[in-house]
Amino acid sequence: DAGVIQSPRHEVTEMGQEVTLRCKPISGHNSLFWYRQTMMRGLELLIYFNNNVPIDDSGMPEDRFSAKMPNASFSTLKIQPSEPRDSAVYFCASSWTRGNTIYFGEGSWLTVV
Amino acid sequence: TQLLEQSPQFLSIQEGENLTVYCNSSSVFSSLQWYRQEPGEGPVLLVTVVTGGEVKKLKRLTFQFGDARKDSSLHITAAQPGDTGLYLCAGANTGNQFYFGTGTSLTVIP
Repeated sequence: DAGVIQSPRHEVTEMGQEVTLRCKPISGHNSLFWYRQTMMRGLELLIYFNNNVPIDDSGMPEDRFSAKMPNASFSTLKIQPSEPRDSAVYFCASSWTRGNTIYFGEGSWLTVV
Repeated sequence: TQLLEQSPQFLSIQEGENLTVYCNSSSVFSSLQWYRQEPGEGPVLLVTVVTGGEVKKLKRLTFQFGDARKDSSLHITAAQPGDTGLYLCAGANTGNQFYFGTGTSLTVIP
């Protein structure tokens, strides 16, 4: 079975530009998570979807960040406008239900210059 | 909010040595998981512990959940270079929301 698929793997963009990260969860999983990982703050949960509905977005840093899940097989995380402090690795993950094993994608490495 | 503190933050040891990584919190968790993350990859689940006092072994890795379900430890016997990576603990609250620890970066030198 294919794992969680993220794109792009690497992105370098200029400050002020819009960034869109994409995720395809494992088929059959009904929980989807977006995490951000930095050296300073570790792995932080940004938002959690259950059955395509955002349940907990308390980790979203600010209004520049938005996430959507239009169907069970696709989600996006958008940053507009991007800032240098947004540079991090963004992970998408999915699980069968919340509380079960979380399967992570390989991450999207974002650098904002 | 980081509810789980891991120690040590960094660990560099020689191949063949033993080591223990700790994961501590003031909160009670319904379950706790350990993940290993290799460079350029996402974290991968190693084990889930559910019962206070539970001990699980995975080859050279021994995981223990504290009696009060507030802490956990990971012990590696005879470490190998392949054990190198970032070890993350993650605790689940009653709402099944997982909180990840601060991480322990392990380097095993051949």
